[in-house]
Amino acid sequence: DAKTTQPPSMDCAEGRAANLPCNHSTISGNEYVYWYRQIHSQGPQYIIHGLKNNETNEMASLIITEDRKSSTLILPHATLRDTAVYYCIDPANAGGTSYGKLTFGQGTILTVHP
Amino acid sequence: NAGVMQNPRHLVRRRGQEARLRCSPMKGHSHVYWYRQLPEEGLKFMVYLQKENIIDESGMPKERFSAEFPKEGPSILRIQQVVRGDSAAYFCASSPQQGNSPLHFGNGTRLTVT
Repeated sequence: DAKTTQPPSMDCAEGRAANLPCNHSTISGNEYVYWYRQIHSQGPQYIIHGLKNNETNEMASLIITEDRKSSTLILPHATLRDTAVYYCIDPANAGGTSYGKLTFGQGTILTVHP
Repeated sequence: NAGVMQNPRHLVRRRGQEARLRCSPMKGHSHVYWYRQLPEEGLKFMVYLQKENIIDESGMPKERFSAEFPKEGPSILRIQQVVRGDSAAYFCASSPQQGNSPLHFGNGTRLTVT
C-alpha cells in the first residue's frame, strides 16, 4: 500500500487559515494526491486533488512541492464546521483497474475552535 | 442533483440474521465501491463493482459477505449470519469512470449486531 504521513491532530482558530501537511514520498510520477475529509457521523467528502501544479477550488487550496513528496492542504478561513478528520491519499494505482481502491490512513483530526 | 443514497441509515440485526445494505450511486455513475469503518478504525476498501460485474473484491471477507450491482436497481451489500464483529459503518461511493475521478460517498449504513 502507498503510504502517506500526516500529523494526528491540529488545532486552528476560527477565521484563521488551517494548513494541513502530508508526506507522500513514495508517490509515483503519474499519481494524483487526493484529499478527503470526514465530519463526524458522515461519509467522507472529497475536497481537492492535484498532480504537480497547485490547485484551488471553492473549498480549499492544495500546494504540492516540486519533488511531489509532500503537499499542504489550506483551508483559508476555517469555520467550526470544518472540524473533521482530513485524509491525504496516494491512490497507489494497482495496474489501472482500481482507482477507487483507496487507502485511508488515520488522517489528521482538525479541531477548529472559537 | 441527488448524491449517493444509502439505506437504511441504521440497521439492527440479531446474531445469525442477514443484513442487506443498499446503495444508489449518483446519476450517471456506473462505478460503485463499498468501504467499511469499524469502531475507532479507519475506512477499509471492500469491493469495487461496475454494472453486473465485480471488478475487485480483494477487501471482502471470504465468507458471509457478497455484493452485487445489477443492471437495474441499487447495489446491494449482503451479510449473511451476522456476528457482533460485523457491527460497523458501511459506506458506499460512486464515480463516473475510472481514472482520476474523485469518489462521492454516501452517509453510510450503521449496522449494529446484538
